[in-house]
Amino acid sequence: LAKTTQPISMDSYEGQEVNITCSHNNIATNDYITWYQQFPSQGPRFIIQGYKTKVTNEVASLFIPADRKSSTLSLPRVSLSDTAVYYCLVGDPFTGGGNKLTFGTGTQLKVEL
Amino acid sequence: EAGVVQSPRYKIIEKKQPVAFWCNPISGHNTLYWYLQNLGQGPELLIRYENEEAVDDSQLPKDRFSAERLKGVDSTLKIQPAELGDSAVYLCASSLGGRMNTEAFFGQGTRLTVV
Repeated sequence: LAKTTQPISMDSYEGQEVNITCSHNNIATNDYITWYQQFPSQGPRFIIQGYKTKVTNEVASLFIPADRKSSTLSLPRVSLSDTAVYYCLVGDPFTGGGNKLTFGTGTQLKVEL
Repeated sequence: EAGVVQSPRYKIIEKKQPVAFWCNPISGHNTLYWYLQNLGQGPELLIRYENEEAVDDSQLPKDRFSAERLKGVDSTLKIQPAELGDSAVYLCASSLGGRMNTEAFFGQGTRLTVV
C-alpha cells in the first residue's frame, strides 16, 4: 500500500479556502486517492475520491497532478463546522473484490472566526 | 435509512474481563470493517469481511480478539480477556463492495475503557 504524508495540523479562518496536500510518492497504477473527514466522537465520513486531474463535488475539490505523486484537497470558504481531522488514503479500492481502507494520522484542521 | 449502528456506545470493564461489540451495517452492504482507533491516531483495520468471509484479518490479535459475521449481516467483535492497552474506540464500517461502490460508511463507534 502506498504510504501517505500529510501535515499534522493546519489553521484557517472562516470564509477562507483551505488546501491540504498529501504526498504519496509510491502510488501504484491502480491506486485511487480518497479523502475522509472525522469529527470528534464520530466515525470518519467520505468526502471525495479521484484517480487523476480534478474531481469536484458539493463539498470539496480534489486536484491530482499528472504524476499522481501528490494530491490536494480543497475546501472552499470554510466555516467553524469544518474543524475536523482530514485523512488522505491511497489504494486500489477494487483489490480482492473489496475496498481496503488504510488510514494515516491525518491533518487536524482548525477553523477560527 | 439508518446508517451503521453500533452498540454499546460506551463500555467500562475491568482488565481480564470479556467484552463484546455489536455492529449492524447498512442494509445490502456486503463489505464490513472493524477498526480500532487510539486517541490522536487514525483508525487501524482489525478485520474486513466480504459477506460472511473474513478476507483480511492480518491485524487482528487472534490470541484475544475474535469476530464473526453470521449470515453476512450483523457482526460481533469480542475481546477475551481485555487488557489495559485495549482501551480505545472500536469503529465499524460498511460499504456496498464491488468495483463501483467503494465509499465506506462508519458508525459512531464504541468507546472501551479498561480499568
